[in-house]
Formats: sequence, structure tokens, C-alpha cells
Amino acid sequence: KAGVTQTPRYLIKTRGQQVTLSCSPISGHRSVSWYQQTPGQGLQFLFEYFSETQRNKGNFPGRFSGRQFSNSRSEMNVSTLELGDSALYLCASSPPGASNEKLFFGSGTQLSVL
Amino acid sequence: GENVGLHLPTLSVQEGDNSIINCAYSNSASDYFIWYKQESGKGPQFIIDIRSNMDKRQGQRVTVLLNKTVKHLSLQIAATQPGDSAVYFCAESFQGAQKLVFGQGTRLTINP
Repeated sequence: KAGVTQTPRYLIKTRGQQVTLSCSPISGHRSVSWYQQTPGQGLQFLFEYFSETQRNKGNFPGRFSGRQFSNSRSEMNVSTLELGDSALYLCASSPPGASNEKLFFGSGTQLSVL
Repeated sequence: GENVGLHLPTLSVQEGDNSIINCAYSNSASDYFIWYKQESGKGPQFIIDIRSNMDKRQGQRVTVLLNKTVKHLSLQIAATQPGDSAVYFCAESFQGAQKLVFGQGTRLTINP
């Protein structure tokens, strides 16, 4: 069974640009979560989707958004990029019945904002 | 605010010894706890989890202990191997939260 797949693996953008990251969950998983990982703040929750609906959102500005498609694949978007948005963005999926607790992570997208 | 902390940011152990990684959590309502291992260039990998109705759970070479009285969680790794070198994160959740709150992580290094 394939794991969580995230694309692209690396991204370099400049301030003011926008970026879209993609995530394909494990087959059969309908819940997808996104986390931001930085050396200073650690792993911070961005948002969680289930059946195309956002169920929970972390404390991030409105520049961070996401969506989920009917096949459970998810994308997150960051608009008007800032230097501080440089981070590893991790996507995770959760099996049915796990209440979004036991998360299986992808390898992440490393975003660098110059 | 939300915070799950770790007592030690780094831990060095001899190969073959047992490792103990500690974690303090702040939300007394948390009823689910989980440990992850993250190797360089990879995403966090599930190790073991435990619910608040238990105080101990064992896996393969790993044991998680939960002390709800002092809000403390620990991960014990038996017979530590070079492949155990990584950053270890604890995380907590509670029913309906639909998210995990992570600690800052502990880097485990293995000395030959």
C-alpha cells in the first residue's frame, strides 16, 4: 500500500508569490491534515479536511488555505509569501475510525522563500 | 496556550543501552498520546500510541508510559541501535480535537 505522497518535494519561491502544494493520502483514508514544521516553532497544525470539508483550522493567517477533492486528495495554498513561510509542509492522512489521531505522514514539501 | 514540552532537547546513549525520552504535556483533557520518529529528510513515522485509560503499552523494543497524575509521558527504547538515531516527538490529542499538538522534539544520538 502506497504511503502519503506529497509533491513537489522542494520549492523555491520569492516573497509575494503564491504556492500550491499537493497531497495524496493513503488509499482508503478520508481525513487529511496539514502541518508546518520549522526549527523554531516545531510542528504546527494548519488544517484538517474530511469528505471535502474543513473540520478544524490552526492559528495561521488567511493567506494559508486548503481544499480537499472528492478522491480525498488535498491541496494547500499560501498566497503573498513571506520569508517566514519557509518551512517543511507535511501532509498526513488518518485511517477510518481513528478520529484524526493516528496520523501517517508524507515526506513533506520543503518550501524556501527568498 | 497549547504546549507539549520535552525535558531534554538532546540525548546521547551508547549502542545497546536503553533510551528513555521524556515528555510533559499541559492539557489535562488530553486522552490520546502518540510518539513519532523523524529521520533527516523524512516525515514523522508512527512508533507507538496510548490512550489515557492505560498507563503502559509495549511494542517491538519500545514501551510508552503514561503518568496522568503529573502529566508525563515517556518512550523507552530497548537495546538502542544506530538506526534509532532520529528526532523523537510526542504529541497529544483529545476527543473531538481532530488534530495533534506536538512537542518540540528530542534528538537521540547513538554512540558506537
